[in-house]
Amino acid sequence: NAGVTQTPKFQVLKTGQSMTLQCAQDMNHNSMYWYRQDPGMGLRLIYYSASEGTTDKGEVPNGYNVSRLNKREFSLRLESAAPSQTSVYFCASRGTGGYGYTFGSGTRLTVV
Amino acid sequence: QKEVEQDPGPLSVPEGAIVSLNCTYSNSAFQYFMWYRQYSRKGPELLMYTYSSGNKEDGRFTAQVDKSSKYISLFIRDSQPSDSATYLCAPEGSGYSTLTFGKGTMLLVSP
Repeated sequence: NAGVTQTPKFQVLKTGQSMTLQCAQDMNHNSMYWYRQDPGMGLRLIYYSASEGTTDKGEVPNGYNVSRLNKREFSLRLESAAPSQTSVYFCASRGTGGYGYTFGSGTRLTVV
Repeated sequence: QKEVEQDPGPLSVPEGAIVSLNCTYSNSAFQYFMWYRQYSRKGPELLMYTYSSGNKEDGRFTAQVDKSSKYISLFIRDSQPSDSATYLCAPEGSGYSTLTFGKGTMLLVSP
């Protein structure tokens, strides 16, 4: 099925460990986004990439890095995980002139 | 004032009821207004898209925008248990900017 694919779906990390969340879209979309969703906080933008080769900070970028590997793939890296990064992470994409975002199914990350 | 505000609910209604979900915003530059539906443990999915003020209807769903009062509504007619989800409003300015999401309203439709 066409859409946004996120891996892994679940992950448990120990404090201080690192990991990369992967996201790929097969809709030829230019823009890609990483959000985190926490109870009572809603969806908050971490980083986004308006087009291949560019990345920009969102509302809550601290503790994260991103890489727009190519047009299809946009990864999110946690260099030294902290319990405050326990969350559900969503990747989304959007085509030029497109209405709204297409979201992936999310990655549930727990940092202990 | 938060840029986008929604009552978190939950809003509980019986099957067949008319549901009204609301959202207020503070940025007068917003011109595009979206509603997303998010089922438990799933990603949000685009439900309705409206440009500027006015109404837009799609089946049992009607989106209404009043830019003068900065108020957005989503109406669901003949609500079904399958409508039980969290509904997120997301207004956007011009120039293809990033979306700002409300925190969402949880809707529970009982059979």
